[in-house]
Amino acid sequence: LAKTTQPISMDSYEGQEVNITCSHNNIATNDYITWYQQFPSQGPRFIIQGYKTKVTNEVASLFIPADRKSSTLSLPRVSLSDTAVYYCLVGPMIKAAGNKLTFGGGTRVLVKP
Amino acid sequence: EAEVAQSPRYKITEKSQAVAFWCDPISGHATLYWYRQILGQGPELLVQFQDESVVDDSQLPKDRFSAERLKGVDSTLKIQPAELGDSAMYLCASSILRGGGELFFGEGSRLTVL
Repeated sequence: LAKTTQPISMDSYEGQEVNITCSHNNIATNDYITWYQQFPSQGPRFIIQGYKTKVTNEVASLFIPADRKSSTLSLPRVSLSDTAVYYCLVGPMIKAAGNKLTFGGGTRVLVKP
Repeated sequence: EAEVAQSPRYKITEKSQAVAFWCDPISGHATLYWYRQILGQGPELLVQFQDESVVDDSQLPKDRFSAERLKGVDSTLKIQPAELGDSAMYLCASSILRGGGELFFGEGSRLTVL
């Protein structure tokens, strides 16, 4: 299963764009990239998922280069409420025996006024 | 909006006691997961159910933890006896797709073992 590496923490200011890069060098052909957000004392919440190129929704964009060995979550114009831990996960849409969707340590994003 | 329900929200117990957590997934979600999250770390998968069957419990400490989903709907995670190191948030999640797709998490059950 593809292992992911992300920065431990990032600081930003309100109104700025935050980009979090996740490395997944051994991503498999059938793996998707999924990002979750977690606030203290809450369960993680799905943000965005993609396979290649660019995906955008109402809260974030996900950029995936052609080799798919990394991905970047982009949060436009962050606010204080975007302070959270962000997790990058890599895995297939359908679980095969022995696969598990594994959360790493995540990236703690602190948005300052 | 449909949610994953978990109870209790908080549980304080003494070591060697038994504790149980309950989860009701989103209706129609055949896949149910129990995760454990120690403070400051990412969630760790304990067990995954597909309907009523366990498809992955490789990380479940089976000497003291048990999980069941008898009718393929709600699920119970039990710890007996509880140890100090079991203090953590226990998260339940469900998904439509088997093992992938979007996971919907409950708010979790925070366990403190004294």
